[in-house]
Amino acid sequence: GQNIDQPTEMTATEGAIVQINCTYQTSGFNGLFWYQQHAGEAPTFLSYNVLDGLEEKGRFSSFLSRSKGYSYLLLKELQMKDSASYLCVTKVGGSYIPTFGRGTSLIVHP
Amino acid sequence: DVKVTQSSRYLVKRTGEKVFLECVQDMDHENMFWYRQDPGLGLRLIYFSYDVKMKEKGDIPEGYSVSREKKERFSLILESASTNQTSMYLCASSHRGGYNEQFFGPGTRLTVL
Repeated sequence: GQNIDQPTEMTATEGAIVQINCTYQTSGFNGLFWYQQHAGEAPTFLSYNVLDGLEEKGRFSSFLSRSKGYSYLLLKELQMKDSASYLCVTKVGGSYIPTFGRGTSLIVHP
Repeated sequence: DVKVTQSSRYLVKRTGEKVFLECVQDMDHENMFWYRQDPGLGLRLIYFSYDVKMKEKGDIPEGYSVSREKKERFSLILESASTNQTSMYLCASSHRGGYNEQFFGPGTRLTVL
């Protein structure tokens, strides 16, 4: 089966660092995506991790531990435009259908 | 610039009407998806297509059907719209190879009165 847990909501201050955690129990796990979704808009791809470790891409980094069923998305130097929902999404080997978490709504305030 | 487009951003229909939502992608993707997104429930898969004329039911197919006559186009049909189908509908596509990352359309906000 598939089960993804991530916090419903987080708040942070402009310029700060925030870490959004995601735990999963996914049979046949083969990789993990993070997507960003601004209110009223479509999700957009941020990152994909298949191996353990940290992947850095500008202000955003994503970490994966396959043995712990755990990932996080790290956002540095927060900007107001980072206020959005962040979706943790798992992929199973042999399937084209990903499983979406319910998303973490991040609110960045001045 | 790669694109997934949906026929309408906003749509208002009456109970019992037949509703067509169209999705077109220009990336030559094999896979196409229809989701609905509701507050607190996240994205839920309605139908998936991995090739022309091929389709698979997702988690919530009841009340919906789909059509994929051409590779670039995937249509979602509400045979008889009901108020509980009021939602945001998102279309997505992905390649068969690589990461299979999904590219989403802008969404259609459907209201059924």
